[in-house]
Amino acid sequence: NAGVTQTPKFQVLKTGQSMTLQCAQDMNHEYMSWYRQDPGMGLRLIHYSVGAGITDQGEVPNGYNVSRSTTEDFPLRLLSAAPSQTSVYFCASSLKQGSIQPQHFGDGTRLSIL
Amino acid sequence: ILNVEQSPQSLHVQEGDSTNFTCSFPSSNFYALHWYRWETAKSPEALFVMTLNGDEKKKGRISATLNTKEGYSYLYIKGSQPEDSATYLCASEMYSGGGADGLTFGKGTHLIIQP
Repeated sequence: NAGVTQTPKFQVLKTGQSMTLQCAQDMNHEYMSWYRQDPGMGLRLIHYSVGAGITDQGEVPNGYNVSRSTTEDFPLRLLSAAPSQTSVYFCASSLKQGSIQPQHFGDGTRLSIL
Repeated sequence: ILNVEQSPQSLHVQEGDSTNFTCSFPSSNFYALHWYRWETAKSPEALFVMTLNGDEKKKGRISATLNTKEGYSYLYIKGSQPEDSATYLCASEMYSGGGADGLTFGKGTHLIIQP
């Protein structure tokens, strides 16, 4: 049972490049979310999804796009990377929205924008 | 935007001592309070999810209490061990019209156990 899998683990981009951070879970969880973690800021919610075909914005959505075409996958897209997006990104999933269940986190993607 | 505060920011504790730290959160529209343990170079790992006022949960030497009326939760570690060294995160889940929103995390309490 792999849980939540994030790829890649590390990535360096140039300003203006685009890329997709992948997130997949094999627990049949309906709820998936993306967070970024910056020094002194704690984890901040970027986007979340309560099920296939449904996404919504979190606290810091600007510069990021998401889609949820399947229950298993929730990719995060940076359309035009900026240095301010240098961060560690975590994907998380839980059974369903409001289920009072803990979130399961992936191992993170460390992204540097030059 | 919710404001979840954790204190202290960091804590040094002697091995064998007990310790506790605080998470405060807005009490209006409260849905659930989560505690996670986050070791360096790993991903956050769930400790507790609490919903009821007065609730107390325990996992080994770690326990947590919840006061939803005044908006705070305490995490206690009894007889600290070096392996307890980690950052402890709390996160509040708020109820909105469509159900519970995503988690709002505090900045964490960084705990260092000194042998």
